[in-house]
Amino acid sequence: GENVEQHPSTLSVQEGDSAVIKCTYSDSASNYFPWYKQELGKGPQLIIDIRSNVGEKKDQRIAVTLNKTAKHFSLHITETQPEDSAVYFCAAFPRGEGYQKVTFGTGTKLQVIP
Amino acid sequence: DVKVTQSSRYLVKRTGEKVFLECVQDMDHENMFWYRQDPGLGLRLIYFSYDVKMKEKGDIPEGYSVSREKKERFSLILESASTNQTSMYLCASRGTGLSYTFGSGTRLTVV
Repeated sequence: GENVEQHPSTLSVQEGDSAVIKCTYSDSASNYFPWYKQELGKGPQLIIDIRSNVGEKKDQRIAVTLNKTAKHFSLHITETQPEDSAVYFCAAFPRGEGYQKVTFGTGTKLQVIP
Repeated sequence: DVKVTQSSRYLVKRTGEKVFLECVQDMDHENMFWYRQDPGLGLRLIYFSYDVKMKEKGDIPEGYSVSREKKERFSLILESASTNQTSMYLCASRGTGLSYTFGSGTRLTVV
C-alpha cells in the first residue's frame, strides 16, 4: 500500500517568513495530492490540492509543488501570519479502489511567531 | 455551507462500556469515513462506507464496528471500550469528487 512521510513534524517561523512542508509518497500510481489545515478544536479543512498532471499550483500565499519523478510534493506558505498557525496534513490518493484508500501524512504543527 | 456534524465534542467512558459515536452529513454524499487521530501517527482509517448498509474495513478496524442505516448518518461503535482507544475521532464524508469534508472531531477518553 501507499506510504506517506511528512517532514518536519514541527516548524516555527517568524511572522512574514516562509514555511515549507514536504511529503514523500511511495506508490507511483497516486495521482491526487491534497493539503489539509487543522486549526485547534476543528477538523481538517482542504486548503489546496494538485493532480499529477501539473507541477505547481498557487492560491494567494500558498502553493504546492509536485515532483513525480522523485515522488515528493511540498506546501509553501509565504508571508506567514499568526492565523497560519495550525497542523497541516498532506495526503496521497492512489488511482483505483474508488480513491477510498487515501493515505495521510503524520502532520506538521506550524507555529508562526508574531 | 456543507456540514459534517459529530454529536459529541468530548466523551468520557469507562473501560468495558459500549460507546456510540454519531456522525451526520447534509451533503447527500455517498462516502463516509471514520478516522482516528493520534499525535505522531496522523489520521488512520478505521472504517468507511460507500453506500447505505455497506461498510469496508480500513487500516485499524479491530475493536470497532460501524453502522450506516441511512445515507446521512454513519455511526462508529466501540464494542467494549479500552484505554488504548482514548483518542480523537474524526468523521468525514466525500461525494463524487475527491475533497473530504471533516467534522470537528470527538475527543474520547476511556478511564
